[in-house]
Amino acid sequence: AQSVTQLDSQVPVFEEAPVELRCNYSSSVSVYLFWYVQYPNQGLQLLLKYLSGSTLVKGINGFEAEFNKSQTSFHLRKPSVHISDTAEYFCAVSPLSQAGTALIFGKGTTLSVSS
Amino acid sequence: DAGVIQSPRHEVTEMGQEVTLRCKPISGHNSLFWYRQTMMRGLELLIYFNNNVPIDDSGMPEDRFSAKMPNASFSTLKIQPSEPRDSAVYFCASSFAQGTGNTIYFGEGSWLTVV
Repeated sequence: AQSVTQLDSQVPVFEEAPVELRCNYSSSVSVYLFWYVQYPNQGLQLLLKYLSGSTLVKGINGFEAEFNKSQTSFHLRKPSVHISDTAEYFCAVSPLSQAGTALIFGKGTTLSVSS
Repeated sequence: DAGVIQSPRHEVTEMGQEVTLRCKPISGHNSLFWYRQTMMRGLELLIYFNNNVPIDDSGMPEDRFSAKMPNASFSTLKIQPSEPRDSAVYFCASSFAQGTGNTIYFGEGSWLTVV
């Protein structure tokens, strides 16, 4: 079984500051890793995903994440945030071995960007 | 390109009434997922289908919940009878399960309030 822990439920930052949203996972098998974003009153959309290869993954809207297998982490970063980045961010995993399987999500981190 | 379409977007119903939520996945996708989102429990997987066949319904909270996928382009999630604790946002999502690590695409959600 897999599980995801997002270490911060809320992260307040000022505009143009850097941000890191932390994600740790637990799994007895190798996994794929995902970050999704949810803007208010909307569904979730994919920010980025790690399947294999380079451990630094770049996504949309200037976000990137780094996979660290030894620390079982997949932290999300952005060097300079905008007001429009205010949203809920979800880290998720799925096992490598199963096609068409569901994602297991963390509880989410609310990023609040203020001016 | 149409995304995942859910209906109704908002529903307010009285306790004890039957609620039916509907979902049209993205054309060509062969996996469909129902998730529930609440403040307390975050995003929970209720059930998912591959090629219209239910694969894992272990997340369905109790017998009051049922889901069907009669064909590749339609699914329903039914709650009968509904209770106030069922109030949540219900998301339908779909993916094309070829191999592993496939992106899951979410609908805008159905916001259910049971009074």
